[in-house]
Amino acid sequence: KAGVTQTPRYLIKTRGQQVTLSCSPISGHRSVSWYQQTPGQGLQFLFEYFSETQRNKGNFPGRFSGRQFSNSRSEMNVSTLELGDSALYLCASSLDGRVEKLFFGSGTQLSVL
Amino acid sequence: AQRVTQPEKLLSVFKGAPVELKCNYSYSGSPELFWYVQYSRQRLQLLLRHISRESIKGFTADLNKGETSFHLKKPFAQEEDSAMYYCALSAFGNEKLTFGTGTRLTIIP
Repeated sequence: KAGVTQTPRYLIKTRGQQVTLSCSPISGHRSVSWYQQTPGQGLQFLFEYFSETQRNKGNFPGRFSGRQFSNSRSEMNVSTLELGDSALYLCASSLDGRVEKLFFGSGTQLSVL
Repeated sequence: AQRVTQPEKLLSVFKGAPVELKCNYSYSGSPELFWYVQYSRQRLQLLLRHISRESIKGFTADLNKGETSFHLKKPFAQEEDSAMYYCALSAFGNEKLTFGTGTRLTIIP
């Protein structure tokens, strides 16, 4: 069974640009969560989608948005990039959103120059 | 508000010595507590959760509601325990985890 797949693995952008990250959950999983990981702040919850609906959102500005498609794949978008958005973005999937059943991807490393 | 504190960013322990990774939390309701581990070049993975009260890879953690702590312990450290450890909290029925900033554990041979 394939794990959670995130693409691309690395991204380099400049300030002001926008970026889209992709996450393919484990087959059959309907919930996808996104987390931002930085050395200073650790892991912070961005949002969680279940069956194409956002059920929970963290304390991030509106520049961070996401969506989920009918096949449960999810995308995360960050507009007007800032230097502080440089981070590893992790996606996690589960059957029904229960956190004890989360499986994490390898992440997308975003560098904003 | 939910908050998880891991006071040690770095911890070095000799092989065979006991290990204790500290975790304190702040939450007004009934939390569910977890320990996650990230080995070098591997994905973040669940190590254990307080509800299951099990021992994984020799690690145990007991939830102390009075002290609002969930420290991770192992009596005899092994070299393969070197990793980044994150303590995390979730409110029951909530679909998000609040993580601590993590502790990097290094086992000295």
